[in-house]
Amino acid sequence: DSGVTQTPKHLITATGQRVTLRCSPRSGDLSVYWYQQSLDQGLQFLIQYYNGEERAKGNILERFSAQQFPDLHSELNLSSLELGDSALYFCASSVGLSSYNSPLHFGNGTRLTVT
Amino acid sequence: DQQVKQNSPSLSVQEGRISILNCDYTNSMFDYFLWYKKYPAEGPTFLISISSIKDKNEDGRFTVFLNKSAKHLSLHIVPSQPGDSAVYFCAASAMGGGTSYGKLTFGQGTILTVHP
Repeated sequence: DSGVTQTPKHLITATGQRVTLRCSPRSGDLSVYWYQQSLDQGLQFLIQYYNGEERAKGNILERFSAQQFPDLHSELNLSSLELGDSALYFCASSVGLSSYNSPLHFGNGTRLTVT
Repeated sequence: DQQVKQNSPSLSVQEGRISILNCDYTNSMFDYFLWYKKYPAEGPTFLISISSIKDKNEDGRFTVFLNKSAKHLSLHIVPSQPGDSAVYFCAASAMGGGTSYGKLTFGQGTILTVHP
């Protein structure tokens, strides 16, 4: 158990809809990361928050947004969903701002299916 | 543009033998490398890392080798055990990149199967 909790585990929704994925980091971790894993793809970095502030951004679509709340949990909002958004979405957390000597600990992911 | 590549989608090894997983990268700014292991229905789990100032790091049965000139790293597992069967991801980070912070760039993964 990594200590990172993601909910829900599975989500099935229709195109055009909006969903929210939630992540609770490990106790004491200040950084939260979101990654997307599509079929046969590696994990693609979306965004990082550190202590409530956005710190790094990857190839995150404009239809996607995220935030980290004062209690350090994070939410990833996906809107105007398309079939291609179907993927595993992982949240990870770490103690520090960088991954150096502060490995990322991943949750078990949320599997999103857009029909 | 795939900056981190794992060219072998799968690897099959006999229990007790050595498993060698390979990873190549193209971005010369990468200076910190990690291996993660992933079981089905679970998130990736950190395995071992290496900084670019080293060429080898060892942790029990796991050793990572880094060849900076070739932009290549490998993970050796000796001896391999059936419980090592999983997907292995190579990841890289550019620590000196200023705004990169904790961003990791992952390879596509290699499925390792260790047969009893």
